[in-house]
Amino acid sequence: GAGVSQSPRYKVTKRGQDVTLRCDPISSHATLYWYQQALGQGPEFLTYFNYEAQPDKSGLPSDRFSAERPEGSISTLTIQRTEQRDSAMYRCASSLLAGDNEQFFGPGTRLTVL
Amino acid sequence: QKEVEQDPGPLSVPEGAIVSLNCTYSNSAFQYFMWYRQYSRKGPELLMYTYSSGNKEDGRFTAQVDKSSKYISLFIRDSQPSDSATYLCAMRANSGYALNFGKGTSLLVTP
Repeated sequence: GAGVSQSPRYKVTKRGQDVTLRCDPISSHATLYWYQQALGQGPEFLTYFNYEAQPDKSGLPSDRFSAERPEGSISTLTIQRTEQRDSAMYRCASSLLAGDNEQFFGPGTRLTVL
Repeated sequence: QKEVEQDPGPLSVPEGAIVSLNCTYSNSAFQYFMWYRQYSRKGPELLMYTYSSGNKEDGRFTAQVDKSSKYISLFIRDSQPSDSATYLCAMRANSGYALNFGKGTSLLVTP
């Protein structure tokens, strides 16, 4: 595609519910990243994929968070048993290769946990 | 304490002014230094990056890195209202692919 797309753009859920966020990277890009961006803060790294491999998930805040990219293209981020502190913008980015300094960011999914 | 510190501003300047944006960092392993620009309700976009110490110029923008002081700067010359955005510094080590961002500085250039 022309750019990184994410869906949904907005998600409101109740505490305790599971949510799944989707990222569709630029089609030629091998590497996909997930970041969490709180209001007034810069993005914080969660995890990344190189094709379908997930070499680094050190930024995932708890085992309630998981991500997958089974066919090396579209990725999903799932948050189980959501808590209010999970409310944030979740941004996906992709780059042509791992280690490229230019990461192309999507518009984000704004998650609100009530 | 976060590894990357950046004053959030806001910074308001008149059109045509020279703008100086700065970040400090604590991790001496950082080798790649980037500036991203983020317009309201959009994702960050890369402006420029430098490797290790030194200067890099691109049009009205100049990035400087001083590794001895763990200090990086972005200068914008002849600032324009279209430069109004949040500027995020980001950096990473040779061995890692995750970017470490500052919290961003909000810039407003008034006509």
